[in-house]
Amino acid sequence: DIQMTQSPSTLSASVGDRVTITCRASQSISSWLAWYQQRPGKAPKLLIYKASSLESGVPSRFSGSGSGTEFTLTISSLQPDDFATYYCQQYNSYWTFGQGTKVEIK
Amino acid sequence: EVQLLESGGGLVQPGGSLRLSCAASGFTFSDYAMSWVRQAPGKGLDWVSAISGSGGSTYYADSVKGRFTISRDISKNTLFLQMHSLRAEDTAVYYCAKGHISGWYFYIDCWGQGTLVTVSS
Repeated sequence: DIQMTQSPSTLSASVGDRVTITCRASQSISSWLAWYQQRPGKAPKLLIYKASSLESGVPSRFSGSGSGTEFTLTISSLQPDDFATYYCQQYNSYWTFGQGTKVEIK
Repeated sequence: EVQLLESGGGLVQPGGSLRLSCAASGFTFSDYAMSWVRQAPGKGLDWVSAISGSGGSTYYADSVKGRFTISRDISKNTLFLQMHSLRAEDTAVYYCAKGHISGWYFYIDCWGQGTLVTVSS
């Protein structure tokens, strides 16, 4: 089974900050990686697919990069709506989520 | 507009059974794989089960294999999750989710609002 590890688990930041979340796979997953945002009490929402493709309607301040085993999600300028938990998910071999990264207000 | 509406959650005793349903609309149901993803209280996302667009392929996490069955009724645009031998650790919000393609492997491009399953005596 492919394991996904996110870091950090929690991130404290301010509005306007540039934020980067890392996701590492236990083996190569090529670019078969998605990122989701989950606000408290809500269902997750797709942000990025195929490692770097922005889902329609998602603000351009979100971007993804990486391939193989190391990936990053970057928010270029954190907005109030962006305080949430973010999950990576591989779909190269079945499906696995990372444990999540909570972005909280500093 | 794609919509997924789960139902069937509730309180059940350990060892009991429950069937979750997910009514899909806004897309051609048979053209997309579907899945169930759960989230225990205060925890992360956990992939439970998946089914291909045709229904010919299914997947189960080891933690539910032999106890849960995923199925779909294309005539009713409905996804199901039949759960037996429920355990306390199955307590979670269960999300119905739509894949971006019909086959394996897919990412989720739409989620339902979730239905809470509580396993407790």
